[in-house]
Amino acid sequence: GENVEQHPSTLSVQEGDSAVIKCTYSDSASNYFPWYKQELGKGPQLIIDIRSNVGEKKDQRIAVTLNKTAKHFSLHITETQPEDSAVYFCAAPGGDSNYQLIWGAGTKLIIKP
Amino acid sequence: GAGVSQSPSNKVTEKGKDVELRCDPISGHTALYWYRQSLGQGLEFLIYFQGNSAPDKSGLPSDRFSAERTGGSVSTLTIQRTQQEDSAVYLCASSLDGTDLREQFFGPGTRLTVL
Repeated sequence: GENVEQHPSTLSVQEGDSAVIKCTYSDSASNYFPWYKQELGKGPQLIIDIRSNVGEKKDQRIAVTLNKTAKHFSLHITETQPEDSAVYFCAAPGGDSNYQLIWGAGTKLIIKP
Repeated sequence: GAGVSQSPSNKVTEKGKDVELRCDPISGHTALYWYRQSLGQGLEFLIYFQGNSAPDKSGLPSDRFSAERTGGSVSTLTIQRTQQEDSAVYLCASSLDGTDLREQFFGPGTRLTVL
């Protein structure tokens, strides 16, 4: 079955700098890779996703890149702001279903003022 | 419009008691998921409902856990004879259509503490 690993577990960056979080997956057939942001006391919220027919997707300060050969995808946040502080989760399709996601363990992003 | 709601937000119970957690999905969403999130961990899939189809219960950790979804809307997750290791945040999510992977909308979760 699918296995998703996420690194780092904690990332501290200076406000205004960039942050990069990386995930690797094991199933070469996986074709959908979302990133979710979870703020304290709330449920996760989708911030960006990418399907395997493209290598990069951008939405303002957020971008996701996908390397299908190496089976990894990364979240890039530029010009970080205090409100970016949260836990970020990656996910990939799991098993034989077309509805189940396997989730990374999460990255706690801390933006230092 | 209203998002996914869950109740209660917090539940403290004694070991051995039964608990019921409720989820109200977004109106019109046919897919509903339950997850468990232990402290500092990722999301552990528990159960999935899609329309009137039989639910996928493959993630339920033991037979003490069960869930139902009445009328294709509200869902209840029941944990019988709770154990301390059941302590976690239980998250519910709904999706417009579960037949293809797409955005899941999460509720705020129920924090369960078993003493």
